[in-house]
Amino acid sequence: DTAVSQTPKYLVTQMGNDKSIKCEQNLGHDTMYWYKQDSKKFLKIMFSYNNKELIINETVPNRFSPKSPDKAHLNLHINSLELGDSAVYFCASSQVQPSGELFFGEGSRLTVL
Amino acid sequence: AQSVTQPDIHITVSEGASLELRCNYSYGATPYLFWYVQSPGQGLQLLLKYFSGDTLVQGIKGFEAEFKRSQSSFNLRKPSVHWSDAAEYFCAVNRDDKIIFGKGTRLHILP
Repeated sequence: DTAVSQTPKYLVTQMGNDKSIKCEQNLGHDTMYWYKQDSKKFLKIMFSYNNKELIINETVPNRFSPKSPDKAHLNLHINSLELGDSAVYFCASSQVQPSGELFFGEGSRLTVL
Repeated sequence: AQSVTQPDIHITVSEGASLELRCNYSYGATPYLFWYVQSPGQGLQLLLKYFSGDTLVQGIKGFEAEFKRSQSSFNLRKPSVHWSDAAEYFCAVNRDDKIIFGKGTRLHILP
């Protein structure tokens, strides 16, 4: 069983479209995250949810909207996609704050044309 | 403010040689420090972590790291690398309950 799973693994879409990425963890963790990894491999935190409550919201455009229907799921919806949104988006989870050991999904590579 | 610095973007070592990847942090409080590895097309996997106590930390896959407060460093070491160690390595610090990553070091292994 995959601990943190993301779907889809690849998305290719046109500018202006809307897309969603889903994430599920079966580790029983309370906290989930979205990270963005750009073409230079730089990882930047976007959002964090603890037990369905948003606790970290970095400076991310309003076009990005996370949703956590329950503590095992964290989805990311992106409106009006732009070229600069092309990246790999990683979902992660952790159990204990502030130790924050993260367990990552395999990533979702988004390409905006 | 940059919390974690990995000064080497690329490192190339021969298989069987020793390895040291550098990491410096800037954080006033006692840091929680991590090293993660990312193989191509994969997510990140935790190699080891430091919270407190013994400053030499053992991790998976034969890696270790040493926390040196006086140098604000947390360098990753391995005595003998294998071709399968070729990957991207990230140092990270827990700052304000957020895991902040360095920009990574790409490790290349020569046969």
